[in-house]
Amino acid sequence: DIQMTQSPSSVSASVGDRVTITCRASQGISSWLAWYQQKPGKAPKLLIYAASSLQSGVPSRFSGSGSGTDFTLTISSLQPEDFATYYCQQANSFPHTFGQGTKLEIK
Amino acid sequence: EVQLVESGGGLVQPGGSLRLSCAASGFTFSSYEMNWVRQAPGKGLEWVSYISSSGSTIYYADSVKGRFTISRDNAKNSLYLQMNSLRAEDTAVYYCARDGHYGDIPYWGQGTLVTVSS
Repeated sequence: DIQMTQSPSSVSASVGDRVTITCRASQGISSWLAWYQQKPGKAPKLLIYAASSLQSGVPSRFSGSGSGTDFTLTISSLQPEDFATYYCQQANSFPHTFGQGTKLEIK
Repeated sequence: EVQLVESGGGLVQPGGSLRLSCAASGFTFSSYEMNWVRQAPGKGLEWVSYISSSGSTIYYADSVKGRFTISRDNAKNSLYLQMNSLRAEDTAVYYCARDGHYGDIPYWGQGTLVTVSS
């Protein structure tokens, strides 16, 4: 099975900051990677698919990059509604494993 | 509008069984692959199972293999998860989720809580 490791596990930042979250796959997954945002008590929301494609309706301050084993999610200028937990998921092979999550908190 | 509505969750004793259902609407159900994803209280997301649009291809997480069975009824626009031999560690919110075109999941249900406890 492919293991997905996110870093950091948590990060504190301020409104307006630029934040980068990293996801590393235990083996190459090409661009078969998605990023999700989840707020407490809610279902996850798809932000990025195919490593760098922005899901319809998602603000352009969110961007994704990477291929192979190393991927990043960048939020260019944090907004109050961005404080949440973020997950990566590989879709290269089953099981479609998730990273452990990164909690983005207000500084 | 795509809608996924789960039902069937509840409290069950260890070793017991439960069947989750997901009613889909707003899209051509028979054309899309579907998944179940779960989240234990205070924990991260765990992919559980996948079924192809026709139902001919199925995958499971190792943690549920041999105990859970995914199925679908395209005539009824419904997805199911039969859960047997339930354990305390199966306690979670279970989400019904529709695949996108790149293995991503753009649509999620609201989730149904399964609690396994005596």
